[in-house]
Amino acid sequence: EAQVTQNPRYLITVTGKKLTVTCSQNMNHEYMSWYRQDPGLGLRQIYYSMNVEVTDKGDVPEGYKVSRKEKRNFPLILESPSPNQTSLYFCASREGVGNEQFFGPGTRLTVL
Amino acid sequence: AQSVTQLGSHVSVSEGALVLLRCNYSSSVPPYLFWYVQYPNQGLQLLLKYTSAATLVKGINGFEAEFKKSETSFHLTKPSAHMSDAAEYFCAVRPAGSARQLTFGSGTQLTVLP
Repeated sequence: EAQVTQNPRYLITVTGKKLTVTCSQNMNHEYMSWYRQDPGLGLRQIYYSMNVEVTDKGDVPEGYKVSRKEKRNFPLILESPSPNQTSLYFCASREGVGNEQFFGPGTRLTVL
Repeated sequence: AQSVTQLGSHVSVSEGALVLLRCNYSSSVPPYLFWYVQYPNQGLQLLLKYTSAATLVKGINGFEAEFKKSETSFHLTKPSAHMSDAAEYFCAVRPAGSARQLTFGSGTQLTVLP
């Protein structure tokens, strides 16, 4: 089954404790991205990647890092999480510029 | 730069009534436009997309949207609402040919009343 998977689905952590949210797709898509969803703000892009070792900042990259060492994986790293990073995070992938974007199920992160 | 405005953060309709969710965009180049639906505690699912072909786009679950360049709009409609349509709906834009990902509107929560 074609899908985007994210882990963990739910995470509660404390300020300053490094964490990684994994994202993996099995569709051989070139493009992958991370979004955060906050009430009243819709989804905002954090980072995106056009291919292996090619990443770029989205609209709200501060406090986040990403890497793309393999085509199928695009982890999101929070080196020192803060409470304002409490949010619902979505990973997505797509094949080409005009194509549909497939979303993962979301990761709900709470930073205390 | 591109942006999306969804008018009305909450819309309520009666079951069987017309659904109209509004979306206006701005883009410096011809856009690709999308509507996504998000059911409670789930990810986003694509309803339909416009990528410079027919201006009237039909999607899943009986939804359709019309691209109107002169009005910079891409409103989502459904002739007859069903209880199962209750969800949050997001309009999104990406400049045609761009590698960037989508820019989303703030969302419209649709409530369907019995």
